[in-house]
Amino acid sequence: RKEVEQDPGPFNVPEGATVAFNCTYSNSASQSFFWYRQDCRKEPKLLMSVYSSGNEDGRFTAQLNRASQYISLLIRDSKLSDSATYLCVVRPGGYSSASKIIFGSGTRLSIRP
Amino acid sequence: NAGVMQNPRHLVRRRGQEARLRCSPMKGHSHVYWYRQLPEEGLKFMVYLQKENIIDESGMPKERFSAEFPKEGPSILRIQQVVRGDSAAYFCASSPRPQGAFLDEQFFGPGTRLTVL
Repeated sequence: RKEVEQDPGPFNVPEGATVAFNCTYSNSASQSFFWYRQDCRKEPKLLMSVYSSGNEDGRFTAQLNRASQYISLLIRDSKLSDSATYLCVVRPGGYSSASKIIFGSGTRLSIRP
Repeated sequence: NAGVMQNPRHLVRRRGQEARLRCSPMKGHSHVYWYRQLPEEGLKFMVYLQKENIIDESGMPKERFSAEFPKEGPSILRIQQVVRGDSAAYFCASSPRPQGAFLDEQFFGPGTRLTVL
């Protein structure tokens, strides 16, 4: 079983729709969680951190469920520019080694007009 | 303030040749990380370096791969005797503090796409 698992998609949704994807992690000691966005053939860019209480940034909402060991990303009122691959990132602790950072394989999202 | 720079952006090598990938961190950053991304996969940590020191190379293949970050100049990831399986995107990130204590302190470069023929 992979340490971080994501549905690869692609999710193909119309503009304006709401879309959600989950990411599950296997290490219960994981403490920091992030969503990154990666455009085709570009570098990953931090989208948002995921806090225990859940957090929202405009149209984006991230949730953490420690009991079930998954995090989720909800995108409301999707735009064409949201088309990208969304990477789930997990690490244990704040000051742990970079080598323990685990990237998911990503979920591809395609927004159609 | 220029971001993390990597060159070349695209590199084509034949099997058995050497590949040298360069990374110039952001100004003021002395911590560099290399990641590899195979097609349809997530990024995999390879090595973490500070100036003149390798701090963590637990993600580096045992053979053919080496990395350095000299006192002057960019960080270099070197792959000797490349094979087709080395074809991937190689990303470099830098941070101003040790080990990119919080992940959002790691700033990624645009990557080098290596193709081995």
